[in-house]
Amino acid sequence: GDSVTQMEGPVTLSEEAFLTINCTYTATGYPSLFWYVQYPGEGLQLLLKATKADDKGSNKGFEATYRKETTSFHLEKGSVQVSDSAVYFCALLGGSQGNLIFGKGTKLSVKP
Amino acid sequence: DTAVSQTPKYLVTQMGNDKSIKCEQNLGHDTMYWYKQDSKKFLKIMFSYNNKELIINETVPNRFSPKSPDKAHLNLHINSLELGDSAVYFCASSQEFNEKLFFGSGTQLSVL
Repeated sequence: GDSVTQMEGPVTLSEEAFLTINCTYTATGYPSLFWYVQYPGEGLQLLLKATKADDKGSNKGFEATYRKETTSFHLEKGSVQVSDSAVYFCALLGGSQGNLIFGKGTKLSVKP
Repeated sequence: DTAVSQTPKYLVTQMGNDKSIKCEQNLGHDTMYWYKQDSKKFLKIMFSYNNKELIINETVPNRFSPKSPDKAHLNLHINSLELGDSAVYFCASSQEFNEKLFFGSGTQLSVL
């Protein structure tokens, strides 16, 4: 079945460092892809999405490009801030019933 | 005001008990969901409700029953709790099915 694999955390970076969180997927067809973020004490919220191959989703300085050839949707940010500390979830819209399928989440901690 | 709120935040109970988790959204969304985050951190869909009609029910034991008194509320009732029910349960809502979900902050259920 459809699935999402993302890198294990936690990821600890210093402020202004470059961030990459890897995400690969397995799916039939061409699913829409998402990144959700969960800040401490809050619920998940949509960060960005891409609906077709080569689309780039972007928001709040974060970017991810839908790569069909590598079945990947890696999250990147050029310069992280302490306020980016959160858990990041990669997800795809797919499966036999059209559900959102999430990865395990990657915890990011940014130190000043 | 919190967009999606669920209560309680923590719930500790004995095996065999019946418990409910409440969820309310003030966003005017048409669809609400319940997700379970298991011990391996995967978020899995349990139920979706669209205008009080159940539209998805994954392979969830019938001890779990969603109850929606109105469009803004989707409560989760669990009968005869088992040890394996221990998890974090997330409520969510969206205007359109599986498009830009807003999540609550989760309810951590511990069954002893």
